[in-house]
Amino acid sequence: DARVTQTPRHKVTEMGQEVTMRCQPILGHNTVFWYRQTMMQGLELLAYFRNRAPLDDSGMPKDRFSAEMPDATLATLKIQPSEPRDSAVYFCASGLVRDGETSTDTQYFGPGTRLTVL
Amino acid sequence: DQQVKQNSPSLSVQEGRISILNCDYTNSMFDYFLWYKKYPAEGPTFLISISSIKDKNEDGRFTVFLNKSAKHLSLHIVPSQPGDSAVYFCAAALTGANSKLTFGKGITLSVRP
Repeated sequence: DARVTQTPRHKVTEMGQEVTMRCQPILGHNTVFWYRQTMMQGLELLAYFRNRAPLDDSGMPKDRFSAEMPDATLATLKIQPSEPRDSAVYFCASGLVRDGETSTDTQYFGPGTRLTVL
Repeated sequence: DQQVKQNSPSLSVQEGRISILNCDYTNSMFDYFLWYKKYPAEGPTFLISISSIKDKNEDGRFTVFLNKSAKHLSLHIVPSQPGDSAVYFCAAALTGANSKLTFGKGITLSVRP
């Protein structure tokens, strides 16, 4: 049963601390997305990668957020320093763009990391 | 500026009746639309999609209708079941734009037994 996994599921931290969230995309998927869900904004796209290369991170606050894919099985989203307004649920999703196509048909979401910054 | 709008935050229907969830978009370039369903403490899961070359797509109890001139789509669930109680997100994309999805804020559907 192929699934996107995310760790940790919950994180409580204090303002100013570094937070790292991890995602393991579905094996064979070549596109990875990071989303943030808040009550006010709903689901916002923060960044996404194709074949490990960043394609778009325009939704991400550049001064404190960074996203990387050290290898095809791991994507990370880091916040340094964290602030209370970063409290949200962060979702990772993965998809497959086949040869000759330009987009995925479906994105598969992980269970999310619920971040609370005090 | 929200390009995908789900203006009703919640909907409550009786089991067995029809649920109609609405979604509006502002970007006329969007040509692919999706609905995702989300249960508490889980990630969204894909439900149904429609391309702009169609005006209707049906999958079992779920049907999505697209009205391009009105920039409006709707999800119909018939008959509604208690297990359909969840948050439903509408999303839109430009195919060929690297799969970037723009989501609405979601609608919480409650199906009463």
